[in-house]
Amino acid sequence: TQLLEQSPQFLSIQEGENLTVYCNSSSVFSSLQWYRQEPGEGPVLLVTVVTGGEVKKLKRLTFQFGDARKDSSLHITAAQPGDTGLYLCAGAYSNDYKLSFGAGTTVTVRA
Amino acid sequence: DAGVIQSPRHEVTEMGQEVTLRCKPISGHDYLFWYRQTMMRGLELLIYFNNNVPIDDSGMPEDRFSAKMPNASFSTLKIQPSEPRDSAVYFCASSLVGPDEAFFGQGTRLTVV
Repeated sequence: TQLLEQSPQFLSIQEGENLTVYCNSSSVFSSLQWYRQEPGEGPVLLVTVVTGGEVKKLKRLTFQFGDARKDSSLHITAAQPGDTGLYLCAGAYSNDYKLSFGAGTTVTVRA
Repeated sequence: DAGVIQSPRHEVTEMGQEVTLRCKPISGHDYLFWYRQTMMRGLELLIYFNNNVPIDDSGMPEDRFSAKMPNASFSTLKIQPSEPRDSAVYFCASSLVGPDEAFFGQGTRLTVV
């Protein structure tokens, strides 16, 4: 059982469209991270959010941490083929150094 | 810095054989993590070290798995004997402070036949 549920599992869109990926949990996290993983590579950290309600922007990517620190979303504006990959969210507890990963959302952006 | 370096990138072995995976963390990082990734279970933490000391190995699936970190620049994950269900991609990651902002290696794809 995944502590972090990601949705949707798969997402295929046309270049230029927007998309949102969700990460939900019943647990409260001290911080939450988003990674992108490309085939044959390890996950690459995109952002860490730590404050409830926090919004971070990274170019066309917008990350939001829920007020209760149980959920997060990743929004991509005007998606490009280079955004294709597996997007993983991961949560950390304040008294633990383990990261719990969601199953991931596979995003495909068609040219 | 070259990042986290893992070797080999691919390993194919027969059931019952010993397998050793290697990892060189980023210099100066105090935390080292070993993860396993499969389609069925996603990314799972196996064990992590802080300053070369194993802190939590509760994710290690069985006694067949062991991990060591003899110094700050090298760690191994050993499976003995290996079984087909051990087939997965094994990742090593390191970080400066705790699990936040962990940097992952490229992984070792293990196939046990």
